[in-house]
Amino acid sequence: QKEVEQNSGPLSVPEGAIASLNCTYSDRGSQSFFWYRQYSGKSPELIMSIYSNGDKEDGRFTAQLNKASQYVSLLIRDSQPSDSATYLCAVNRLNQAGTALIFGKGTTLSVSS
Amino acid sequence: GAGVSQTPSNKVTEKGKYVELRCDPISGHTALYWYRQSLGQGPEFLIYFQGTGAADDSGLPNDRFFAVRPEGSVSTLKIQRTERGDSAVYLCASSPPRRGWLPEETQYFGPGTRLLVL
Repeated sequence: QKEVEQNSGPLSVPEGAIASLNCTYSDRGSQSFFWYRQYSGKSPELIMSIYSNGDKEDGRFTAQLNKASQYVSLLIRDSQPSDSATYLCAVNRLNQAGTALIFGKGTTLSVSS
Repeated sequence: GAGVSQTPSNKVTEKGKYVELRCDPISGHTALYWYRQSLGQGPEFLIYFQGTGAADDSGLPNDRFFAVRPEGSVSTLKIQRTERGDSAVYLCASSPPRRGWLPEETQYFGPGTRLLVL
């Protein structure tokens, strides 16, 4: 089992719709969870971080964490064509803060106008 | 302020050659990370520095790979006897000193070095 798993997509949604991106992880000791956005040919850019069970909202983005199910999701409301990118889920390794992030393969999102 | 910078942006080399990739982190950031990203994959952890020392080098694939950070700022990733399979984007990230109320600090990524081994 891979440490962090994401559906590679592509996930296609029309402009204005809600995009739902999902991620599961294997290490129950993980404490920190991140969503990065990566445009083609560019480096990853942090979108959201979440550390506690529940929802965390920031503008059009909502991260959801369920540690019991080892599941993290990212919702993008009112999706825009500029949201078209690859979204990477990342989890810190074991329970040591400040160490390596383990990334999923990423989900490619395409928002059509 | 300046972000993480990496040089060169692109590097083409021949199989068997030696290469050095440089990372200049954000000023004041104490932690520095190297990752490698192959096409269609997420970044893969290589090594992590806290100050001058390598706190975790478990991601280095073999002894052809080595990294240093002698003064706790700039880091160099060194690859000996390059192989075609080493072709990838090498990403560097840095993060600030940890604040007590957060379990983890954000890692800020540089633009990467695209390495092509022919």
